[in-house]
Amino acid sequence: KQEVTQIPAALSVPEGENLVLNCSFTDSAIYNLQWFRQDPGKGLTSLLLIQSSQREQTSGRLNASLDKSSGRSTLYIAASQPGDSATYLCAVVSWGSQGNLIFGKGTKLSVKP
Amino acid sequence: GAVVSQHPSRVICKSGTSVKIECRSLDFQATTMFWYRQFPKQSLMLMATSNEGSKATYEQGVEKDKFLINHASLTLSTLTVASAHPEDSSFYICSARQGVPLNSPLHFGNGTRLTVT
Repeated sequence: KQEVTQIPAALSVPEGENLVLNCSFTDSAIYNLQWFRQDPGKGLTSLLLIQSSQREQTSGRLNASLDKSSGRSTLYIAASQPGDSATYLCAVVSWGSQGNLIFGKGTKLSVKP
Repeated sequence: GAVVSQHPSRVICKSGTSVKIECRSLDFQATTMFWYRQFPKQSLMLMATSNEGSKATYEQGVEKDKFLINHASLTLSTLTVASAHPEDSSFYICSARQGVPLNSPLHFGNGTRLTVT
C-alpha cells in the first residue's frame, strides 16, 4: 500500500530564505507526483506536476524534483515571501489505482517578515 | 485552465438532515471524479471514486449508504451525506480527472466545509 511522508511537518523561516520541503513515497511505481498548496480552510492549488518520466519541473520561484527509484521528491522555494505561508502537500498517483492521488500530511510553512 | 466548481462552500445543518454537495467540471469532461475528506490538521483521505454512468467505488471504511455518490453526467458528480451527524463534520473536496489516461492532471474544487450541529 502506497504511503506518502512529508518532512518536516512544520517549518518557520525568515523572509528571503531559500528552503526545501521533502516528500517520500514507499512504492516507486507511480504515474506522477504533484505538489499542492493549501491555505487555511481553503481548497488546493496545484503548484507542479511531475510525470514519472520527468526529473523536475519549474514554475517561477518553485522547483520540484523527482527521484522515482529512491521514492523521493523535493520542493525548492527560492527567496521565500510571507505570502508563501501555507501548507504544502505532496501526492502521488500509483500504478494499479484508479488514478486517485494519495496525499502526505503536508508541511506547514510560515515565512516571517 | 481547467476549473472545477464545488458548491456549496460552507453548510451548517442540524443532525439528521441530509446534505448534497455538487462538483462540476466547467470546461472539460470528467469521466472520473474523486471525493476526499479532510479532518483538521490531517491530510486528504480518499472516500470514493466516481465514474460517469456507473456505481461509485468506495474506500474501505466509508459507508456507501451514508455517503451517496451520483455521477450522472460527464461534468457533474454529487455527494449526499445522508442523515448527517456531528461526526460527519469535516472538509469535503472533490477532484476531477481531465482526460482518460491515469496520469492525466487532476483538478480540485475549493471544498465544502460541513458543520453538523
